[in-house]
Amino acid sequence: KAGVTQTPRYLIKTRGQQVTLSCSPISGHRSVSWYQQTPGQGLQFLFEYFSETQRNKGNFPGRFSGRQFSNSRSEMNVSTLELGDSALYLCASSLTGPVNTEAFFGQGTRLTVV
Amino acid sequence: LAKTTQPISMDSYEGQEVNITCSHNNIATNDYITWYQQFPSQGPRFIIQGYKTKVTNEVASLFIPADRKSSTLSLPRVSLSDTAVYYCLVGEWDTDKLIFGTGTRLQVFP
Repeated sequence: KAGVTQTPRYLIKTRGQQVTLSCSPISGHRSVSWYQQTPGQGLQFLFEYFSETQRNKGNFPGRFSGRQFSNSRSEMNVSTLELGDSALYLCASSLTGPVNTEAFFGQGTRLTVV
Repeated sequence: LAKTTQPISMDSYEGQEVNITCSHNNIATNDYITWYQQFPSQGPRFIIQGYKTKVTNEVASLFIPADRKSSTLSLPRVSLSDTAVYYCLVGEWDTDKLIFGTGTRLQVFP
């Protein structure tokens, strides 16, 4: 079966711009969670969606937002980009949630803010 | 908030068994313990998950003592392709969050 697909794979943006990243989960998976990975902070939880509802949110500013569509595809948006937002953004899909079932990660979107 | 502590790095040689221990002193009753593997510029990949005692699958074993304050991932007969970062996670049942620690960078030498 097809894995988790994240688009685009690479992105270069300028400070102050906004960006939208997309994640297509594995068919049948209703949970999508997002993570930010940087060399300094490691992997940090951003938020998790289940059946179009945000169930949890990590400790990130309001510039980071997301949504999930009825087909379980998810997008995350970062507004007013800062240099520190440069990171690998990963999404993971799972059947019911990432805690007690296997989460499948995409290859990520590498965002560079200049 | 259950955090994990694991060694920053480990070295091994091909064919050896590798055991990576993770400490999670504040684990809650309903929390699961999960291990993921990550190669550079790729998303983490699920290895194994457990709640208590021992779990084994085709690639690894997970040992969890009765008090559940630690766990040990065992990789039998590692190969060069096992060189990666290994994350021990405690999943928060009540918040449905995966909390990643700093990970253990395993280097396998020929």
